[in-house]
Amino acid sequence: GENVEQHPSTLSVQEGDSAVIKCTYSDSASNYFPWYKQELGKRPQLIIDIRSNVGEKKDQRIAVTLNKTAKHFSLHITETQPEDSAVYFCAASRGQAGTALIFGKGTTLSVSS
Amino acid sequence: NAGVTQTPKFQVLKTGQSMTLQCAQDMNHNSMYWYRQDPGMGLRLIYYSASEGTTDKGEVPNGYNVSRLNKREFSLRLESAAPSQTSVYFCASTLSDSPNYEQYFGPGTRLTVT
Repeated sequence: GENVEQHPSTLSVQEGDSAVIKCTYSDSASNYFPWYKQELGKRPQLIIDIRSNVGEKKDQRIAVTLNKTAKHFSLHITETQPEDSAVYFCAASRGQAGTALIFGKGTTLSVSS
Repeated sequence: NAGVTQTPKFQVLKTGQSMTLQCAQDMNHNSMYWYRQDPGMGLRLIYYSASEGTTDKGEVPNGYNVSRLNKREFSLRLESAAPSQTSVYFCASTLSDSPNYEQYFGPGTRLTVT
């Protein structure tokens, strides 16, 4: 079945450093790739997403890149801050965008000051 | 707008008991989803409903049933709870035919089965 693999499972960085989280997906029909942030005890919230017709998208300190040929997509956070500490999940649409999502297992990011 | 709401927030069941988790959204979304979240396992899709009147199985449907009561409400039922169903359950919704595919999550239900 469809699968999304996410690496690393934990990531520790110093404040101001960059953080990169990588995901691969298996379903060639997937065309929508969101990233969610979940703080401890809270619900997941969307931070950025990308469609398959775009290779890169940026929103202030956060960027996402997509390589559809290799079925890879990555989250880049620059100038990390302690409030970036959370669990980050990548996801891929189950086929076309607007349908169900398959999530990766998450990356716990710790930013120390 | 309340967004996506879930009841109850917490529940403890004994093995074999049944219960229904309730979810409602007031954003006029057509698609609704149920996920479970276990440590180190991410969010796994249990069932979803692409529109009122339809439901489909996700990755881990065994032991669960769902009902799309109307456009606003999507419930998840455990007929005979098992300790393996101890988890945090999230409901989510989206407007699948809009340019924005964001799924909005409810606050979650923490379920313990003893």
